Amino acid sequence: GQQVMQIPQYQHVQEGEDFTTYCNSSTTLSNIQWYKQRPGGHPVFLIQLVKSGEVKKQKRLTFQFGEAKKNSSLHITATQTTDVGTYFCALFMNYGGATNKLIFGTGTLLAVQP
Amino acid sequence: ETGVTQTPRHLVMGMTNKKSLKCEQHLGHNAMYWYKQSAKKPLELMFVYSLEERVENNSVPSRFSPECPNSSHLFLHLHTLQPEDSALYLCASSQDEDTHQPQHFGDGTRLSIL
Repeated sequence: GQQVMQIPQYQHVQEGEDFTTYCNSSTTLSNIQWYKQRPGGHPVFLIQLVKSGEVKKQKRLTFQFGEAKKNSSLHITATQTTDVGTYFCALFMNYGGATNKLIFGTGTLLAVQP
Repeated sequence: ETGVTQTPRHLVMGMTNKKSLKCEQHLGHNAMYWYKQSAKKPLELMFVYSLEERVENNSVPSRFSPECPNSSHLFLHLHTLQPEDSALYLCASSQDEDTHQPQHFGDGTRLSIL
């Protein structure tokens, strides 16, 4: 089936360092969502981006939607141990059915060393 | 409290057993979903229900049988599973199936097939 690629798959940083994950699609997207899943937990919705070139901030997290609406990034400034987890982008795609469905990216696992 | 409750949290079963996973949402949402999350794989959408009607069956083997008796409850009936079906099964809900609203996940059922 279709896959939404995220890079990197895994990143290990020292606490205080910055972190960025990228989400790429071959098609133009209507919007994109970001989720975080803590170890042993479930995905939790973070944010949705809709407009071309949109930038949204949540404290130390900055989300960006590409101008062509084919890619997105999540940047964390000065990581903390509470940022540990897997970050997923999610896109609405037509998965062969009648309507668009939310398809999750491959995820980026962030490890933060204190 | 996520608003989406799944039971049981853990399940170990033999390949010939029959069991059911339960999901209940207290958010007044109209759409409910089943996802499979295996190690090192992206979240896989299995089934989508909108207003108690199945709107998506993502080529899931017939040994998985969903049931949605009302908009608050969703079941996944399991029968004659295979070892490769061991995974975390996540239930989610959203306001509607086609309005690009965020999805709210339950804690999942960790399923192990012996």
